[in-house]
Amino acid sequence: GALVYQYPRRTICKSGTSMRMECQAVGFQATSVAWYRQSPQKTFELIALSTVNSAIKYEQNFTQEKFPISHPNLSFSSMTVLNAYLEDRGLYLCGAGTGGNSGNTLYFGEGSRLIVV
Amino acid sequence: GQQVQQSPASLVLQEGENAELQCNFSTSLNSMQWFYQRPGGSLVSLFYNPSGTKHSGRLTSTTVIKERRSSLHISSSQTTDSGTYLCASDTNAYKVIFGKGTHLHVLP
Repeated sequence: GALVYQYPRRTICKSGTSMRMECQAVGFQATSVAWYRQSPQKTFELIALSTVNSAIKYEQNFTQEKFPISHPNLSFSSMTVLNAYLEDRGLYLCGAGTGGNSGNTLYFGEGSRLIVV
Repeated sequence: GQQVQQSPASLVLQEGENAELQCNFSTSLNSMQWFYQRPGGSLVSLFYNPSGTKHSGRLTSTTVIKERRSSLHISSSQTTDSGTYLCASDTNAYKVIFGKGTHLHVLP
């Protein structure tokens, strides 16, 4: 079956340092990878969407300079939170999709929780 | 902009009662997904339901695309059903938008 592994599950970092998280798709080809953040007491916000053969598209309030993403092949993506501060804490989730005629089913990883101290 | 609205925001039930969770969309949707979010934050996929009705145990999902709505019905609720239920829609290729969630609390 299709699985998405996301790691690390949890990181505690000092304010101003960076955190990198990775997403691995197993059992399918991840033609698209979406990264989300769930801030405390909020729902998931889309940070950016990476689709094979297209430029990575960032949502309003999120930039490549702050959240650089790599999607080098159909099974792997990574995202870094640069210069993390308190407002960056939360649960970061990657969702990998295959698209196709059946619609877009996104398979989600378990999330990477960022704690900033 | 594109919005996904869930209701109710929170729900308290006595064990054994049924729950009905609703999701509405501001724009046309391609599919609908329902998730249960574990206390640690990870998501459990409950349904991928572009249209019609699907069943899984005590759970039933019904999506009516024309009316831009979907519902999740939980029958004979149990205390272990407590948690946050999220609906999400992909409104165009690959972009999934989440609702704010319904926080369900089932009392023993």
